[in-house]
Amino acid sequence: NAGVTQTPKFQVLKTGQSMTLQCAQDMNHEYMSWYRQDPGMGLRLIHYSVGAGITDQGEVPNGYNVSRSTTEDFPLRLLSAAPSQTSVYFCASSYSDFGGAYNSPLHFGNGTRLTVT
Amino acid sequence: QQPVQSPQAVILREGEDAVINCSSSKALYSVHWYRQKHGEAPVFLMILLKGGEQKGHDKISASFNEKKQQSSLYLTASQLSYSGTYFCGTGDNYGQNFVFGPGTRLSVLP
Repeated sequence: NAGVTQTPKFQVLKTGQSMTLQCAQDMNHEYMSWYRQDPGMGLRLIHYSVGAGITDQGEVPNGYNVSRSTTEDFPLRLLSAAPSQTSVYFCASSYSDFGGAYNSPLHFGNGTRLTVT
Repeated sequence: QQPVQSPQAVILREGEDAVINCSSSKALYSVHWYRQKHGEAPVFLMILLKGGEQKGHDKISASFNEKKQQSSLYLTASQLSYSGTYFCGTGDNYGQNFVFGPGTRLSVLP
């Protein structure tokens, strides 16, 4: 039982490059979300999804795209990387009675550390 | 809108107690608490639901005041392993759009 798997663990990009951060879960969770965490700061919500085909914006969506074609996968795309996107990115998922993480814990992946130069 | 947490940081000696507070300007339907150690992912501690139901850790307690839109996490007889950053989190009435507070850094010294 792998839980939430994020790849890659580390990535260095040049400004303007694009890339996709992968997130997969094997717990059949409907609710999935992406967070970024900057040094000394909390977790800020980028995008979330309540099921396949349904996504919505969080607190800091600019510069990021997501899609949810299957229950298992929720990739995060950076179309044109900027130094301000240097951060640690966490993917999380939750079992959902009501569409979100109301009464079930969020399970986090181990994170992707991204540096944009 | 992010919940607000206080204090920002706490330093304790082993065996001492601590309280971490979380409040929100909007209605709280449920409150989650997580702990994150340096370089690791956040780990679930507890969920508090409206009506008093709690789920989670049996050695850490918490309260949830729905009317005041506040929650508190109580760490008693702290151990070295309690060190880390504690986050409260909350979503809308279905738990979607789930956001976290800025965190409280707890350091437990021997």
